[in-house]
Amino acid sequence: GNSVTQMEGPVTLSEEAFLTINCTYTATGYPSLFWYVQYPGEGLQLLLKATKADDKGSNKGFEATYRKETTSFHLEKGSVQVSDSAVYFCALSDIPGTASKLTFGTGTRLQVTL
Amino acid sequence: NAGVTQTPKFQVLKTGQSMTLQCAQDMNHNSMYWYRQDPGMGLRLIYYSASEGTTDKGEVPNGYNVSRLNKREFSLRLESAAPSQTSVYFCASRGTGSTPEAFFGQGTRLTVV
Repeated sequence: GNSVTQMEGPVTLSEEAFLTINCTYTATGYPSLFWYVQYPGEGLQLLLKATKADDKGSNKGFEATYRKETTSFHLEKGSVQVSDSAVYFCALSDIPGTASKLTFGTGTRLQVTL
Repeated sequence: NAGVTQTPKFQVLKTGQSMTLQCAQDMNHNSMYWYRQDPGMGLRLIYYSASEGTTDKGEVPNGYNVSRLNKREFSLRLESAAPSQTSVYFCASRGTGSTPEAFFGQGTRLTVV
């Protein structure tokens, strides 16, 4: 079956530090890959996505590149802010269209301090 | 605001009690989902509905039932609550297209004592 593995947290960084959150996946075929973010007390919201190999998703300074050869989709940001403190989830969808289900990783909590 | 609305936001139940979690979306999405979120386990799919009138089991369906009342509404029922069902429950919906984004509600924090 499909699975997503994320690095465990919490990850604690100082403001303006570089962020990497690792994500690897196991899936049949050619999945689409997503990063979702959950701020305290809220539901998940889409941060970025990539639909095929070598695609780069980007949003709000965050980036992730779909690497089929290493089955990875690592999240990066060059300079984090306190407002980036949240839980980040990597996810995949293995079938195009609305019939597919999203499989999530366990989430990585990021804490950014001044 | 448009989106996914869940009720209630918080609930405490005694073991053996029943309750229904309500979810409604106003984005005309076909697919709707119920997930539970537990510490260290991420989000696990309970049930989903690919379209009005259809429902399917996800990863952890035991102890739950669902109803896709119409295109907008997808409810989750606990017939006899157990402490193991203490969790945060999220409803989500997805639209059309090859890689549709999932929109989530704000969650229901359920405690079973």
